[in-house]
Amino acid sequence: KNQVEQSPQSLIILEGKNCTLQCNYTVSPFSNLRWYKQDTGRGPVSLTIMTFSENTKSNGRYTATLDADTKQSSLHITASQLSDSASYICVVMNYGGSQGNLIFGKGTKLSVKP
Amino acid sequence: NAGVTQTPKFRVLKTGQSMTLLCAQDMNHEYMYWYRQDPGMGLRLIHYSVGEGTTAKGEVPDGYNVSRLKKQNFLLGLESAAPSQTSVYFCASSYEDTDTDTQYFGPGTRLTVL
Repeated sequence: KNQVEQSPQSLIILEGKNCTLQCNYTVSPFSNLRWYKQDTGRGPVSLTIMTFSENTKSNGRYTATLDADTKQSSLHITASQLSDSASYICVVMNYGGSQGNLIFGKGTKLSVKP
Repeated sequence: NAGVTQTPKFRVLKTGQSMTLLCAQDMNHEYMYWYRQDPGMGLRLIHYSVGEGTTAKGEVPDGYNVSRLKKQNFLLGLESAAPSQTSVYFCASSYEDTDTDTQYFGPGTRLTVL
């Protein structure tokens, strides 16, 4: 069964610290992996999209990595800010699938404290 | 650009009542989607549309109907609401159906069915 598992479920860090969120998937065949940020009470916003051939992709202080061999991805947040407090959702698309066939993880809830 | 907007933001229904959720996008996107988000679960696709006048079933279509009479609007209907349909509903749109196209999400509608 195609699944996306994220860890940890929740995380609390101090402002200015770095953190890394994990995503493991069993989706096969694989097309691409996306990370979304979802602020409380808002819709998800895309951070990065990585295809099979991409190992790393950055968006400001957010850096996503992908290991397609081990089916793992991580999202690293550098020098965290209070505004980084949100849920981060990992999403995987099947190869040959469509935008109507995205598999969503349950998300990691990040709280950044002053 | 307003992006993706959803109406209403909140709604409380009694079991058996009907309602329509409206999604509008001003980005000239071909593809539109309706998701539901429940606590402890990833986003799940209800229905989607690949263009004006088309609709298709997603992962959890039962109890919902949709229509796409105009390119910019995608309506989600509940004919006879049930408590199991209490959820947050998100609309999204994308320009194309390519592997790496980004989905843009609306702010969500929080629906409670009593």
